[in-house]
Amino acid sequence: RKEVEQDPGPFNVPEGATVAFNCTYSNSASQSFFWYRQDCRKEPKLLMSVYSSGNEDGRFTAQLNRASQYISLLIRDSKLSDSATYLCVVSDRNKLVFGAGTILRVKS
Amino acid sequence: NAGVTQTPKFQVLKTGQSMTLQCAQDMNHEYMSWYRQDPGMGLRLIHYSVGAGITDQGEVPNGYNVSRSTTEDFPLRLLSAAPSQTSVYFCATGDRGTEAFFGQGTRLTVV
Repeated sequence: RKEVEQDPGPFNVPEGATVAFNCTYSNSASQSFFWYRQDCRKEPKLLMSVYSSGNEDGRFTAQLNRASQYISLLIRDSKLSDSATYLCVVSDRNKLVFGAGTILRVKS
Repeated sequence: NAGVTQTPKFQVLKTGQSMTLQCAQDMNHEYMSWYRQDPGMGLRLIHYSVGAGITDQGEVPNGYNVSRSTTEDFPLRLLSAAPSQTSVYFCATGDRGTEAFFGQGTRLTVV
């Protein structure tokens, strides 16, 4: 079983749609959680950290459920520019463990 | 302030050749790491370092060596390149448990 699992997609959605991505992790001792965004052939960049209380940044909302070892990302009012691969990332002491990513394609 | 600088950006090697991928950071982070990214596999950790003089293996260390003689530099050495090492390599730096900052990547092809 992979340490971090994501649905690879692709998710094809129209502009303005709301889309949700899920991620599960296997190590209950994991300490920090993130969503990264990766554009085609570019380096990953931090989208947002994920906190137990849930957090929001504009159109993006992230949730963490430690009991279920589950992380989610909700994107509201999707834009064409949101098209990318979204990586779920879990910190295990000194290591960041990446999921394989979920592809989002937003179409006009 | 360059952040994380990786060189080269592209490289073609013949099977059996050796080479060093360079990674330098000016962010004064203790933690540095190397990942490879293959289609459908996500980023897999090769080696990492929590400070000068300290390195450890990640998920896929075979065929690669690292050293960390300074805080700024963390080179990755391919000892004898194989076609299975064709990949995109990313160097990253950060503080423990916090955001990682990535270099722009090195696209390596082994023929």
